[in-house]
Amino acid sequence: VQVLESGGGLVQPGGSLRLSCITSGFTFSRSAMSWVRQAPGKGLEWVSTISGNGESTYYADSMKGRFTISRDNSKNTLNLQINSLSAEDTAVYYCAKTTGSSWYEEHWGQGTLVTVSS
Amino acid sequence: EIVLTQSPATLSLSPGERATLSCRASQSVSSYLAWYQQKPGQPPRLLIYDASNRATGIPARFSGSGSGTDFTLTISSLEPEDFAVYYCQQRGNWPRTFGPGTKVDIK
Repeated sequence: VQVLESGGGLVQPGGSLRLSCITSGFTFSRSAMSWVRQAPGKGLEWVSTISGNGESTYYADSMKGRFTISRDNSKNTLNLQINSLSAEDTAVYYCAKTTGSSWYEEHWGQGTLVTVSS
Repeated sequence: EIVLTQSPATLSLSPGERATLSCRASQSVSSYLAWYQQKPGQPPRLLIYDASNRATGIPARFSGSGSGTDFTLTISSLEPEDFAVYYCQQRGNWPRTFGPGTKVDIK
C-alpha cells in the first residue's frame, strides 16, 4: 500500500488550495479514505472521510463549508479542496487509507505541508 | 461532538517498565476506539482498533482494553522504540475526534 500526498505549499490568507493523494497497492474504490491534519507542534485533527464509492462524505464541524473532499476512482486519487485559508489552517495534511468496514486510518502518507502566511 | 481526554499528558518511564495510558470519552463510544503511535517526523501508526484488536504487525506487548467511556492502552515492557506520542481516536459518532495525546518519554 502506498499513499502519496501533493499540493501543499505557501498560500496567502484568503486563498485556496487543492491537495491530492495518489495511491497504489490496493483496490482504491473499495476503501474509504480520510484526511487528517496536524498543526506544527500540535496533535492530530481529523478533517474528512469519504466512502469508497464517493457517495458519503463526512467533515469535522469546524471545516464544513470550506473543505471539500472528493475522489476519482478511475485514477486512484483522493482530493481535498480548501477555500478561504487562514493561518489556523497551517498544518501537515495527511492522506490515509482506512481499514475494512470500521474505517480507521490504517495506511498513512508522509503528509504535505500547507503554510498560510502573507 | 465527542471529546476525548487523555491522561497523563506525559509519562516518564524507563525501558522495560510497564506503561498504562488512559483515554476517556465525553459520552459512550461503545468499543469504537483506536490507538495510534506517532514518532517525530513520521505519520501516525495504527496500533489498536475497536478497543482491543491489534493492527497488523503490532507487537503483542501492546494491548488495549475498555468500552463505553473509559479505555486503556498498555505497553507491557517498554522497548526503546516505544518512546513516542500516543493518540486515541473514536469512531462511535461523526465527526471523528482524536484525543490530545500522551507523550511517553525516557526517564
